[in-house]
Amino acid sequence: NAGVMQNPRHLVRRRGQEARLRCSPMKGHSHVYWYRQLPEEGLKFMVYLQKENIIDESGMPKERFSAEFPKEGPSILRIQQVVRGDSAAYFCASSPTGGYTEAFFGQGTRLTVV
Amino acid sequence: TQLLEQSPQFLSIQEGENLTVYCNSSSVFSSLQWYRQEPGEGPVLLVTVVTGGEVKKLKRLTFQFGDARKDSSLHITAAQPGDTGLYLCAEANAGGTSYGKLTFGQGTILTVHP
Repeated sequence: NAGVMQNPRHLVRRRGQEARLRCSPMKGHSHVYWYRQLPEEGLKFMVYLQKENIIDESGMPKERFSAEFPKEGPSILRIQQVVRGDSAAYFCASSPTGGYTEAFFGQGTRLTVV
Repeated sequence: TQLLEQSPQFLSIQEGENLTVYCNSSSVFSSLQWYRQEPGEGPVLLVTVVTGGEVKKLKRLTFQFGDARKDSSLHITAAQPGDTGLYLCAEANAGGTSYGKLTFGQGTILTVHP
């Protein structure tokens, strides 16, 4: 029973390029959370999605960032026109239900913007 | 948004020593989770505490939840080098949400020297 799978594990982008981060939740999980970990800020909530729906995007920057969780396939966190400040570790977590329950984290994608 | 303060920020000890890390808030926690994160990996849930005054044990780890549910501690007995990592506390259902959105503290970086 595979855990939460994130890819790529490491991603290098030049300023101005697009970054696409993928998250495949655990089997049977239909709720996905994205978090960002910056060295000086710790882990911060970005967005909560269910299949085909964005439930809470209160932690997403207003511009350049978007997320989706289609009916089929992985959840995607997309960052357009990346800047150096986007360099961070991005973690996805999944849970079987939306209520209070344990969420399982993936190994993260480490984005470096050069 | 509730702020979680963890202390100490860094802890460096010798194998066999005991240690305690703390997590405090100015507001009442709905529930509190402790995670451990190793370098290059995602956070792994250690325990969830819900009831004020609750004490949970996980091998050499003892977790306490304050009576007023505004503070928690993690005590490790006879630390081992394998305990090295980042210890994070997090409030589940953050912001009064009914879903598993997490608000994390800044974390305590523990290093256990052989």
